[in-house]
Amino acid sequence: EVQLLESGGGLVQPGGSLRLSCVASGFTFSSYAMSWVRQAPGKGLEWVSGIGGSGDITYYADSVKGRSTISRDNSRSTLFLQMNSLRAEDTAIYYCNYFDSSGSGVLDYWGQGVLVTVSS
Amino acid sequence: DIVMTQSPDSLAVSLGERATINCKSSQSIFYNPNNKNYLAWYQQKPGQPPKLLISWASTRESGVPDRFSGSGSGTHFTLTISSLQAEDVAVYYCHQYYSARTFGQGTKVEV
Repeated sequence: EVQLLESGGGLVQPGGSLRLSCVASGFTFSSYAMSWVRQAPGKGLEWVSGIGGSGDITYYADSVKGRSTISRDNSRSTLFLQMNSLRAEDTAIYYCNYFDSSGSGVLDYWGQGVLVTVSS
Repeated sequence: DIVMTQSPDSLAVSLGERATINCKSSQSIFYNPNNKNYLAWYQQKPGQPPKLLISWASTRESGVPDRFSGSGSGTHFTLTISSLQAEDVAVYYCHQYYSARTFGQGTKVEV
């Protein structure tokens, strides 16, 4: 059974930093790209960042580019998102997402999400 | 970046009636070499992560009721709920995975 467990959320002041983690199990973590998707309170889904299976390719939404770094530790099946210079508009639930469309079908799994609140 | 635009933003439908949600992409998300549209539909209920309903524009995921169907190609897509049930009240998102990933703004379906 695939499981994704996020941690690291919390309350942080504007301009501060936070590092989110997502521990994965139930699949060969190093073989698949992973993403972070966020959802501001009462708002829609926003894809934030993605990383290839080996960690050599990364992608960012414009809203976080230059302020966030996605990385992974395949030996620990863990995905990270380092967020710096946080703003009020970064307040959201952050979901870890395993989404794979490389085969004939699509694989899609989500964690339960972790809340990040940016406020003074 | 590919922008996904859904319409309407919200929709009130009587139980047993049809619900139709439209999604338009700012550029084609059809990939000729494999003849596939890189478009998915999600359902999200309060307090839950999104649930994948349909991938490749029209392929229903395992366990998804057949009252849900997807259609369209290129830049215009539709999600249809043929006979709305109470448990279908949710927000629905279209999602392109052709180039990076982006979501539509969501459509709230109510009774």
